[in-house]
Amino acid sequence: GDSVTQMEGPVTLSEEAFLTINCTYTATGYPSLFWYVQYPGEGLQLLLKATKADDKGSNKGFEATYRKETTSFHLEKGSVQVSDSAVYFCALGGEGGAQKLVFGQGTRLTINP
Amino acid sequence: NAGVTQTPKFQVLKTGQSMTLQCAQDMNHNSMYWYRQDPGMGLRLIYYSASEGTTDKGEVPNGYNVSRLNKREFSLRLESAAPSQTSVYFCASSEQSYARNEKLFFGSGTQLSVL
Repeated sequence: GDSVTQMEGPVTLSEEAFLTINCTYTATGYPSLFWYVQYPGEGLQLLLKATKADDKGSNKGFEATYRKETTSFHLEKGSVQVSDSAVYFCALGGEGGAQKLVFGQGTRLTINP
Repeated sequence: NAGVTQTPKFQVLKTGQSMTLQCAQDMNHNSMYWYRQDPGMGLRLIYYSASEGTTDKGEVPNGYNVSRLNKREFSLRLESAAPSQTSVYFCASSEQSYARNEKLFFGSGTQLSVL
């Protein structure tokens, strides 16, 4: 079945550092790919998404490109801020719609000033 | 904009006790979901309701029941709580459920401990 594998955490960076959180997937067909973010004490919220190969999703300075050839959707940001400290989840939406959404295990990111 | 509202935020139960987690959304969404979040395991779907009047099992339904009370509300019931049900529970909603690119909106979660 469909699956998502995320970079193990936790990840700790200094402010203004470059961020990459790796995400690879296994899926049949043509899934949509998502990054959700969970700030402390809150529920998940959609950060960005891409619906087909070579699409780039972007939001709040974060980017991720849907790479079908490497089955990857890595999250990147050029200069992180303390406010980016959160847990990041990669997710895959395949056949069957939202009720079949598959989440990665989450990566906890801490940014130190 | 309230979005998705869950109650309670925290709950401690003894093994064998029952409780109901409440969820309501004010976005006129058709579909609603209950997830549990456990360390190192991401989110796993317990039950979902694709539309008012329907409910279906997700990946981990055992030990739970749900009720789609109306279009706004979707409750999750633990009839006889077990320590294995200690988790953080999230309710979510979406406009529809059948699209693979559907965006989910989440509540802030319920932290449940079963002793």
